[in-house]
Amino acid sequence: SQKIEQNSEALNIQEGKTATLTCNYTNYSPAYLQWYRQDPGRGPVFLLLIRENEKEKRKERLKVTFDTTLKQSLFHITASQPADSATYLCALSQGGKLIFGQGTELSVKP
Amino acid sequence: DTAVSQTPKYLVTQMGNDKSIKCEQNLGHDTMYWYKQDSKKFLKIMFSYNNKELIINETVPNRFSPKSPDKAHLNLHINSLELGDSAVYFCASSHYQGQAGGSGANVLTFGAGSRLTVL
Repeated sequence: SQKIEQNSEALNIQEGKTATLTCNYTNYSPAYLQWYRQDPGRGPVFLLLIRENEKEKRKERLKVTFDTTLKQSLFHITASQPADSATYLCALSQGGKLIFGQGTELSVKP
Repeated sequence: DTAVSQTPKYLVTQMGNDKSIKCEQNLGHDTMYWYKQDSKKFLKIMFSYNNKELIINETVPNRFSPKSPDKAHLNLHINSLELGDSAVYFCASSHYQGQAGGSGANVLTFGAGSRLTVL
């Protein structure tokens, strides 16, 4: 069966450290993968997109990797800040649809 | 100006009632979506419209009926509400990149959500 799995447990880190979130998938062949941020009571907000032929993408303190062999994407936030605390969702493309993982809640402590 | 706006933000109703949620986008996008987010935070696609035409219709009970009067509006009507319909419903929009994915990518802009509670 098709699955997208993100760390189900919340990730707690200290301010200034690098947060690494994982997205694994099975039985999908996505042309691209996206990461979104969701704050409580709000809709998801797009952060980054990486295509199947790209290994790595960066945007300011954010970095995404995409390994189609391992069927995994890693999302890194360097020099994390309390304002980075939120739920992060990965989403992959399949047949014109965007399929979301269940998200990982990140908490950055001062 | 809110890019994707949904109304109402909160909706509390009794089982068996019929309710509607409205969505409007001012981004000039041609594709709109309804997603459902349950208590476990899974976001599941329900419907998608491109230029008023239904292009994605997931396995959703036919008590749910979307309507798109024009490409800037997508409404969701739910008949005979059940307890299990309680969730947050998100509207989203994007530029259409084709169902094969193509070389483009469907980057979604979401509304703030409509929390439906069925008692």
